[in-house]
Amino acid sequence: AQTVTQSQPEMSVQEAETVTLSCTYDTSESDYYLFWYKQPPSRQMILVIRQEAYKQQNATENRFSVNFQKAAKSFSLKISDSQLGDAAMYFCAYNRGGGADGLTFGKGTHLIIQP
Amino acid sequence: DAGVIQSPRHEVTEMGQEVTLRCKPISGHNSLFWYRQTMMRGLELLIYFNNNVPIDDSGMPEDRFSAKMPNASFSTLKIQPSEPRDSAVYFCASSLRGQIPYEQYFGPGTRLTVT
Repeated sequence: AQTVTQSQPEMSVQEAETVTLSCTYDTSESDYYLFWYKQPPSRQMILVIRQEAYKQQNATENRFSVNFQKAAKSFSLKISDSQLGDAAMYFCAYNRGGGADGLTFGKGTHLIIQP
Repeated sequence: DAGVIQSPRHEVTEMGQEVTLRCKPISGHNSLFWYRQTMMRGLELLIYFNNNVPIDDSGMPEDRFSAKMPNASFSTLKIQPSEPRDSAVYFCASSLRGQIPYEQYFGPGTRLTVT
């Protein structure tokens, strides 16, 4: 079974600084997707960024980028120029290629932005 | 599109009562997922459907839980009888299987409290 591990229950960063959230996963599959979801206090699950395992290039979405290390099974999220609106729970998630089944989530990291 | 619709948004019930949660997926999507979020267990997949057919219900905690998808635009998750440990946020998500890039779209969730 696939597992996703987020080792940082909570992270704190100063506004405008950069922060990196860690995620490792375990799978025997070669084709899969990795995601970072943001969950603000409203509890809505918002997709931040996704990475297809077959792509070597790291995904980027504006201030959000990932460091995908397939051999190490590591998938970290970097948030640049942190803003107060970035404060939320962040969940790393795994899915077999093509959406063959549900998402497997990590336990989440609570990100605090210090003004 | 209105996105994934869940009802009710909040439900408070007494132990032993039947609870029915409802979900309307995004039109055209062919996969539907039910997740549960608790502090102790995080986000976990309960069951998912492809083309209205239940594919994997191994995450359903026990026989008190049942889910149906009578047509492509409606699904229910029923708990009978409910217990205090069922208190959680229940999310419904939908996706288009095979879509590239792949994404699951989440509803706003139903917060269930069983007293």
